[in-house]
Amino acid sequence: DSGVTQTPKHLITATGQRVTLRCSPRSGDLSVYWYQQSLDQGLQFLIHYYNGEERAKGNILERFSAQQFPDLHSELNLSSLELGDSALYFCASSAGGTGVQETQYFGPGTRLLVL
Amino acid sequence: DQQVKQNSPSLSVQEGRISILNCDYTNSMFDYFLWYKKYPAEGPTFLISISSIKDKNEDGRFTVFLNKSAKHLSLHIVPSQPGDSAVYFCAASASGAGSYQLTFGKGTKLSVIP
Repeated sequence: DSGVTQTPKHLITATGQRVTLRCSPRSGDLSVYWYQQSLDQGLQFLIHYYNGEERAKGNILERFSAQQFPDLHSELNLSSLELGDSALYFCASSAGGTGVQETQYFGPGTRLLVL
Repeated sequence: DQQVKQNSPSLSVQEGRISILNCDYTNSMFDYFLWYKKYPAEGPTFLISISSIKDKNEDGRFTVFLNKSAKHLSLHIVPSQPGDSAVYFCAASASGAGSYQLTFGKGTKLSVIP
């Protein structure tokens, strides 16, 4: 158990809909990262938040957005869903703010299926 | 453009023997490398990491070697055990941008045969 929790575990929805994925980082961690794992693309970085502020964006679509709240949990919002958005979405956390490379610890993921 | 490549999608090894998983990278800004293990329906689990100032890091049965000139790293598992059967991901990150997001390879599925 990494200490990172993600809900829900599974999500089935229809095209055009909007969903919210939730992540709680390990106790004390300030950084939250979101990754998408699809069949053909592998694990791809989406976005990084540190202590409530966006730090970096990767291959994140404009239909997707995220935020990190004062209690440090984070939400990833996916809207106008398309079939191709079906994937595993992982959240990872690290201590953050140390100024050096840190290990990221991953949650169990949310499996999204868009029908 | 794949910056981290794991060219072997799968590897089979006998129990007790050595497993060697390879990874190549193209981005010379990468200075921190990690290996993760992943079981089906679970998130990646951190195994071992290495900074670019080192060429070897050991943790129990796991050793990671880094060859910066060749932009190549490898993970050695000795001795291999059936519980090591999983997908192994190589990942890399670069310092200096204020964010340490990881770039992953596509993974190598290791099967350890009893």
